[in-house]
Amino acid sequence: AQTVTQSQPEMSVQEAETVTLSCTYDTSESNYYLFWYKQPPSRQMILVIRQEAYKQQNATENRFSVNFQKAAKSFSLKISDSQLGDTAMYFCAFMKNTGNQFYFGTGTSLTVIP
Amino acid sequence: NAGVTQTPKFQVLKTGQSMTLQCAQDMNHEYMSWYRQDPGMGLRLIHYSVGAGITDQGEVPNGYNVSRSTTEDFPLRLLSAAPSQTSVYFCASSVTGGRGNTIYFGEGSWLTVV
Repeated sequence: AQTVTQSQPEMSVQEAETVTLSCTYDTSESNYYLFWYKQPPSRQMILVIRQEAYKQQNATENRFSVNFQKAAKSFSLKISDSQLGDTAMYFCAFMKNTGNQFYFGTGTSLTVIP
Repeated sequence: NAGVTQTPKFQVLKTGQSMTLQCAQDMNHEYMSWYRQDPGMGLRLIHYSVGAGITDQGEVPNGYNVSRSTTEDFPLRLLSAAPSQTSVYFCASSVTGGRGNTIYFGEGSWLTVV
């Protein structure tokens, strides 16, 4: 079975600063995908960034980047130049290469302070 | 673009009542799934389907039924609602094959069972 752990229930950051959200996972699979999703108060699920496990290069999307450590089974999200609109719940998710079932962490509530 | 459409958005049920949450997607995706989101629990998979006529159970299937008669539609049925089924429900779709395509979520259905 796959498990995803987010050990930081709540975090805050000053506007324009950088923050890192942690995620660890457990799996016996060798090929898989990892995701970060953002959920604002509207509850809409918005894809932030995706990482293929077979790629060593860390994914980046504008102000969002990940630190993917496959051996340590760690997948952290770094948000640079934090903006007020980044305030949301962030979920880390795992997907096996052989299917489309997602396994989600319990989320980290991020507040950006003006 | 419609994407994934869920109805209703809000529903209040009495214990023991039955109802169906509707989900439709217009992207010709093979894979569809239902998740529930509870406070502190992240999203958990209820049922999924890899194509018309094929369904399978996820992590928390008890109390729910699904069917997939067409590629577009994947309704979720609550046979006899219980207060423990109070939650936010998300329908999602994606292509199959573990190609790492993102999963597209509906906007969520808020269900309260009293």
